[in-house]
Amino acid sequence: EVQLVESGGGLAKPGGSLRLDCAASGFTFSHAWMTWVRQAPGKALQWVGRIKSNSNGGTTDYSGPVKGRFIISRDDSKNTLYLQMNSLTTEDTGVYFCAKDDGDILGGIDSWGQGTLVTVSS
Amino acid sequence: DIQMTQSPSSLSASVGDKVTMTCRASQNIRNYLSWYQQKAGKAPRLLISAAGTLQSGVPARFSGSGSETEFTLTISSLQLEDFATYYCQARVGAPWTFGQGTKVEIK
Repeated sequence: EVQLVESGGGLAKPGGSLRLDCAASGFTFSHAWMTWVRQAPGKALQWVGRIKSNSNGGTTDYSGPVKGRFIISRDDSKNTLYLQMNSLTTEDTGVYFCAKDDGDILGGIDSWGQGTLVTVSS
Repeated sequence: DIQMTQSPSSLSASVGDKVTMTCRASQNIRNYLSWYQQKAGKAPRLLISAAGTLQSGVPARFSGSGSETEFTLTISSLQLEDFATYYCQARVGAPWTFGQGTKVEIK
């Protein structure tokens, strides 16, 4: 059974930093494309970014609002995905989901964590 | 970036109704589109990929169609467990943008 467990959420000040971790199990993590999706309170899902598997180059892509501030990385030896969030603003407040993408443009995000809440406030 | 526009933003329907919602892409995305269901306080669930391929375990009352810039998600006979918010996602280039969602509420 696929399990994705996020941690690291909490309260941060505007301009501050926070790192989210996602512990993965139940699948071959090193082969997986991993994604972060966030959701502001009462708002729609927003794709934050993605990291491809190392066999696909391990490259990252980001949405416009987070590009240059957020960094997605992975440690395949620890089956863990990371989201380093810098220069936080109140607009970054929301639930952050770690998710596994099947890596196929004809596919989808097939597994999700339960989400971790990030609140940016002074 | 590709923009995804869903309509309506919300709808009210009764159990047993046929429900249809639309997702429009700002440019041709062929059939690189997926649909998700999200219930309140829960993580989303993948329903449909490649615009029309039902995922394993998803009831056959759900169907997806469309290509290029216009896509449709249909629930043939709405059940109580289907009251949720539905999102489309374009899977072309980057970012892989979500639409703003269609909330299906009980009439």
